[in-house]
Amino acid sequence: DAKTTQPPSMDCAEGRAANLPCNHSTISGNEYVYWYRQIHSQGPQYIIHGLKNNETNEMASLIITEDRKSSTLILPHATLRDTAVYYCIVRVASGTYKYIFGTGTRLKVLA
Amino acid sequence: NAGVTQTPKFRVLKTGQSMTLLCAQDMNHEYMYWYRQDPGMGLRLIHYSVGEGTTAKGEVPDGYNVSRLKKQNFLLGLESAAPSQTSVYFCASSYAPGLAGILAKNIQYFGAGTRLSVL
Repeated sequence: DAKTTQPPSMDCAEGRAANLPCNHSTISGNEYVYWYRQIHSQGPQYIIHGLKNNETNEMASLIITEDRKSSTLILPHATLRDTAVYYCIVRVASGTYKYIFGTGTRLKVLA
Repeated sequence: NAGVTQTPKFRVLKTGQSMTLLCAQDMNHEYMYWYRQDPGMGLRLIHYSVGEGTTAKGEVPDGYNVSRLKKQNFLLGLESAAPSQTSVYFCASSYAPGLAGILAKNIQYFGAGTRLSVL
């Protein structure tokens, strides 16, 4: 599974969009990008995933560059409850079973 | 719908004691996982199971044993606890990867964690 690189921390004003980058320059063609978040040391929570097309759900949007070497998770209107550690993980969707968690990005939403 | 439930939530052990952590899921998932998380670090996989009666080692298996006697339960055992095993333990479950349709998403659902201190 490809390794990922994320900034250790970011701040965002409440109500503004939070854009969390992830670099995965060694990603292979069959690897998906997954995003999870962990609030207050609770269990990680799935947010979104994608392969090469941009994806959107009720929680966030995922923008993947055309070469797939990087992606951005967008929380369109960040709230204080979005303060968490966000993990970007790349892995194949079939065959393997393991996630490799890095240290993630600690997002702090400011009032 | 409870999802993934871990018991206990907190535990303090003395060095050398043993204990078992229980993970139960009600989503009929094939795969189950045990992770540990140390301060300031991401999760690391201890053991996992791809089905009832099967288990396999993850990234950091030493000092732990697991059993999957029933599809809905995955037990993590510490036979002789050491201070280095002080950590937060998370259980997760997922559908088997590779199946068609929605099951191919391989999303993992996590429990709330067990905080273990070994003195």
